[in-house]
Amino acid sequence: DVKVTQSSRYLVKRTGEKVFLECVQDMDHENMFWYRQDPGLGLRLIYFSYDVKMKEKGDIPEGYSVSREKKERFSLILESASTNQTSMYLCASRRRQGAHEAFFGQGTRLTVV
Amino acid sequence: SQQGEEDPQALSIQEGENATMNCSYKTSINNLQWYRQNSGRGLVHLILIRSNEREKHSGRLRVTLDTSKKSSSLLITASRAADTASYFCATDAIPLGGGFKTIFGAGTRLFVKA
Repeated sequence: DVKVTQSSRYLVKRTGEKVFLECVQDMDHENMFWYRQDPGLGLRLIYFSYDVKMKEKGDIPEGYSVSREKKERFSLILESASTNQTSMYLCASRRRQGAHEAFFGQGTRLTVV
Repeated sequence: SQQGEEDPQALSIQEGENATMNCSYKTSINNLQWYRQNSGRGLVHLILIRSNEREKHSGRLRVTLDTSKKSSSLLITASRAADTASYFCATDAIPLGGGFKTIFGAGTRLFVKA
């Protein structure tokens, strides 16, 4: 049973804190993605990675960074959390080549107070 | 910017009726996918249609793709209360460095009344 696991289901952090969201996949996928989801805005791509140590900016990278030191793990970092980063964060992975589906984690609902 | 945009934003129907959701996109694609999301959960893949296909079926799902109009539709036949969820279309932007950038639309919220 394929799996994408996000480290936390719910998270509450204070403004200014450094926040780490972890995502692990067990499918040996090359591509991994971080999205945030807000009401009425759908899923917006923050960053993605197509290989170890490789990263590309998505549509809304400001205020975020990522790390991909191992193939199975893709971390999203909020350098200094702000209240406008309160959101649902979704991690996904997929194979690099061909027409393949993306597999999603269960999501992390982050609240910044 | 969103590559895919769905309409309607929300749809409410009776159990047994058909539900049709539409998706428009902006750039050339290799394929288009539809996903479903139950409230507060991750997305689950439903169906993928390649750019050289016009129609595809999977159980009660029927997807069409019109590349000349840059649009797709998802039809759910004989809907059930359990089909209540949000539905998203997704497309892959032109690959960069070997990777695919998968872009999602804002989604259609479907409510099926029992």
